[in-house]
Amino acid sequence: QSALTQPASVSGSPGQSITISCTGSNSNIGAYPLVSWYQKHPGEAPKLILFEGSRRPSGVSDRFSGSKSGNTASLTISGLQTDDEADYYCCSYAGSSAFLIFGGGTKLIVL
Amino acid sequence: QVHLVESGGGAVQPGGSLRLSCSASGFSFSNYAMHWVRLSPGRGLEWLSVIWHDSTNEYYADSVRGRFTISRDNSKNTLYLQMNSLRVDDTAMYYCAKADAAAGTVTIEYWGQGTVVTVSS
Repeated sequence: QSALTQPASVSGSPGQSITISCTGSNSNIGAYPLVSWYQKHPGEAPKLILFEGSRRPSGVSDRFSGSKSGNTASLTISGLQTDDEADYYCCSYAGSSAFLIFGGGTKLIVL
Repeated sequence: QVHLVESGGGAVQPGGSLRLSCSASGFSFSNYAMHWVRLSPGRGLEWLSVIWHDSTNEYYADSVRGRFTISRDNSKNTLYLQMNSLRVDDTAMYYCAKADAAAGTVTIEYWGQGTVVTVSS
């Protein structure tokens, strides 16, 4: 299976909201409610921010939310903060053969 | 506090082999599935493999199936990735990661800091 499709970059100003899309297919996002999102700052390990589409791990701000429509999952970050500037990756279960596939990543720029 | 420390990375020629290790602490290692994921500049994150807590199941990405082997030693709290027939496009940062359950799970909960593998002639 091919990688999930994400925009290369999105930008927003502090306080604004942005949405990052993640488009897959009927073999992954469209078939399973098992999308997770990861935040990665330069030089740091990735961090889980959403799992099973819209669930937040303990300690993750409620400014991060997730949704899904058909073959596309979305991550919305409200009340943008400068520390939100990072790379964001979606990941979906893709069945027992491919198991997990990631998106290409989206660089969030906070202006 | 979950702590994952990868080691074993380095430079290797195409066709060569490397064995990565991941030392785990801060949680009950034998109760969780574990993953390997890599990050390369041109390709972003790529999931490679997962092994259930008791080694009863392993899954691999197509790109590494038949060349890489995941394993674990629960008595040593250590995860391994044996990488054979390495190619230039295997060059990446390799991450060890903890799942959120013992088996039948797809969520990667915690990640290590990674170890760099460079495949070049």
